[in-house]
Amino acid sequence: KQEVTQIPAALSVPEGENLVLNCSFTDSAIYNLQWFRQDPGKGLTSLLLIQSSQREQTSGRLNASLDKSSGRSTLYIAASQPGDSATYLCAVKSDSWGKLQFGAGTQVVVTP
Amino acid sequence: SQTIHQWPATLVQPVGSPLSLECTVEGTSNPNLYWYRQAAGRGLQLLFYSVGIGQISSEVPQNLSASRPQDRQFILSSKKLLLSDSGFYLCAWTIDRLAGGAHEQYFGPGTRLTVT
Repeated sequence: KQEVTQIPAALSVPEGENLVLNCSFTDSAIYNLQWFRQDPGKGLTSLLLIQSSQREQTSGRLNASLDKSSGRSTLYIAASQPGDSATYLCAVKSDSWGKLQFGAGTQVVVTP
Repeated sequence: SQTIHQWPATLVQPVGSPLSLECTVEGTSNPNLYWYRQAAGRGLQLLFYSVGIGQISSEVPQNLSASRPQDRQFILSSKKLLLSDSGFYLCAWTIDRLAGGAHEQYFGPGTRLTVT
């Protein structure tokens, strides 16, 4: 059974620092990995999707890497801003029906 | 563009009462649809998914049920709510098909359910 882990559970950084969020999964047979952002009391916003054949995806200040063989993905957020404060979730799709297995998330606080 | 709606946004219900949460998707056809629950301090748990009208698969045995009466409508129901049903319910959709991996899953705004 696929298990997804996110470390650390919480992270606080001063504005301007780069953020590094980690996600690991136990079964490397995945179709894709998706990173989401969740603000308090809100739904999930999709940030990046990395297909199993890709090693990296970039969108603005966000960059996500995928190492399928080692079961790891890292989300980098450059030059963090207070507006980046949120919970970040990673999820893997490892079956053909589109079901996602989520990590517990990393709660990020960026202080001005 | 595609949009996903959920209602109600918040709901407070007594134990033993019925439940009906609705999710609708606009701007796409024949999506895969999903119900997730996020309990306080816990991760997202997949409850049900559907690949077509009337086709429902359950991931977790419980007192909840789901139905898909129309292509872009997904309903989560219960005949009698339990305290443990409290949580944040999220509906999601994707057009990803079978073994594909190129399409994102998109989530609705969620329904906050408190069972008292």
